[in-house]
This record gives sequence, C-alpha cells and structure tokens, in this order.
Amino acid sequence: NAGVTQTPKFRVLKTGQSMTLLCAQDMNHEYMYWYRQDPGMGLRLIHYSVGEGTTAKGEVPDGYNVSRLKKQNFLLGLESAAPSQTSVYFCASTRESTVVFGPGTRLTVL
Amino acid sequence: AQSVTQPDIHITVSEGASLELRCNYSYGATPYLFWYVQSPGQGLQLLLKYFSGDTLVQGIKGFEAEFKRSQSSFNLRKPSVHWSDAAEYFCAVGASTGGFKTIFGAGTRLFVKA
Repeated sequence: NAGVTQTPKFRVLKTGQSMTLLCAQDMNHEYMYWYRQDPGMGLRLIHYSVGEGTTAKGEVPDGYNVSRLKKQNFLLGLESAAPSQTSVYFCASTRESTVVFGPGTRLTVL
Repeated sequence: AQSVTQPDIHITVSEGASLELRCNYSYGATPYLFWYVQSPGQGLQLLLKYFSGDTLVQGIKGFEAEFKRSQSSFNLRKPSVHWSDAAEYFCAVGASTGGFKTIFGAGTRLFVKA
C-alpha cells in the first residue's frame, strides 16, 4: 500500500496563475482532507470530503476549490494564486478516526 | 466548535530529562484526542490517540499521554528524552460531526540539548 500520495511535491507559481494539487489514497478511506501548514499556526483545515461526490468547507476555504469525483482522489485547486497561499499543503484521509497524512506539497507563490 | 491550545510554542530540555508538552482542548462532547510528531521536512506521524477507556494511553517511541476531563487536557509525557525526539509536536482533537474532522493545535517545537 502506498498510503496517501500527493502530486507535485514542490511548485512555484506566479501571482494569478492557477494549479491543481492531486491527492490519492489506496486505503478505501471515506474521508479525505486538505490542510495547510504555516509557521506558528499548526495545520488548518481548508476543505474536506465525507465521501465520493461530496465536499465541505473547513476553517480556511477562501481562494480554494476541491473536487472528489472518485473515492480515491481529492483535488485541491487554486484558481488565481496569491502570495498568501504560499504554504505547505497536506492531504490526509481516514476511515473512522485516525488520520493518515501524505508527505506534503510545498507551494510558493511569487 | 472544536479548538486546541498548545500554550508552549517551543520547549528546550536536556537529553535524558523528562518531558511534558501541554495541550488543552475545547469540545462539547467526549473528543477523540491525538498527538502527532513532525520531524523537519517530513509529514506527520501519529504518536498516540485516546478514544475512551483508560485515561493514560501509551504510544510509540516511549511517549504517553493522560486525558483529564476535568481540566480539558491531554498532556504528552516522556520520562527520558533522546536527541532524536527533537521535532514539532501537534495535539489534535477529532469529532464525528457531519463527517470526521480533526482540528490541530499550533504545535510545540521541542529542542533537545546535549
């Protein structure tokens, strides 16, 4: 089992560009999440999904969109990147309670 | 709403000394409680979790945590710290409300001095 994988690992964008972060899990987990991690702020929940075809907003959803077309995939989109979105993004999944994290994507917006 | 407070931004302990990292949570019902560790440039690894039952839980790497409902706390402890324990530690609270959500504290960075 690969667990939770994230693509890409690193990315640099210019302000206003768009991109999509891909998360995949092979554990048949129902719930999937996107977090961002910033120094001194821990992990903050951006969006999450409780099942295929469903998404919901977390603590800091503005500027992001998500889609869960397949159970194993959870996509995070930035339509018009801003420097404030420079962060490390973690995807995670769980079936019941204990969350399994991906390795993270480091995004820099210039 | 769930929330987690880790009062200490960073802590320095000597190798071999004992360690206690503080965590306070806010949640209306009995929460699921977790401690995760993150080494520099790495993802998060689960150290231990509490769902119910014995309020003292054992985790990996010699860590333990005690759930105290009256104090809304879930402090992490280790009797003797090793240099390899230097990392950032996150306390988290989970709840099954409209799907399972986990909210994290801001983290405590542990420095270990020789």
